[in-house]
Amino acid sequence: DVKVTQSSRYLVKRTGEKVFLECVQDMDHENMFWYRQDPGLGLRLIYFSYDVKMKEKGDIPEGYSVSREKKERFSLILESASTNQTSMYLCASSFPGSGEKLFFGSGTQLSVL
Amino acid sequence: DAKTTQPNSMESNEEEPVHLPCNHSTISGTDYIHWYRQLPSQGPEYVIHGLTSNVNNRMASLAIAEDRKSSTLILHRATLRDAAVYYCILRPNAGGTSYGKLTFGQGTILTVHP
Repeated sequence: DVKVTQSSRYLVKRTGEKVFLECVQDMDHENMFWYRQDPGLGLRLIYFSYDVKMKEKGDIPEGYSVSREKKERFSLILESASTNQTSMYLCASSFPGSGEKLFFGSGTQLSVL
Repeated sequence: DAKTTQPNSMESNEEEPVHLPCNHSTISGTDYIHWYRQLPSQGPEYVIHGLTSNVNNRMASLAIAEDRKSSTLILHRATLRDAAVYYCILRPNAGGTSYGKLTFGQGTILTVHP
């Protein structure tokens, strides 16, 4: 079975801390994505990567950075966490193509106090 | 980007068919129509997708209007496990680095009654 694994289900951090959210996929997918999901705003794309060491900004990249050193791993970094980054973070991966399907992890609920 | 419009919520009884509508009047000729669903406390899950023709798979059917300005996701026999938020999404087929860059709207909350 296809698997996208996010390292933590729940995370509590303090304002100003550097936060790493890790995502690993076991499907040899080229593309990986980070979304955040907030009530009333739906899912919004933060960053995506279509190859190792490649990254593209999504719709809301401010305050975030990403790292993709290996094909299977895509990390989301909050350089200095703020309370408005409290959210559910969802990682996804896909194999490019016209029939492309996204496979999502279960999400990380991050609370920044 | 072309947008979709879905009802905020719908209700169904168990073992009855469910028709979830989606309007996408500004769809372009190369946009694929994708449906995902999100069960409580989980990430979204792919359901089905299509371009012009109706599509069937083990989870659902997708009926696409002839002018492609609307589509309907059909669950043939709803179960309690189908209670979820259903998202209708247009995926541009622009190539390059736009692969998989999906824009999720608010979706339709489906409630299934026993």
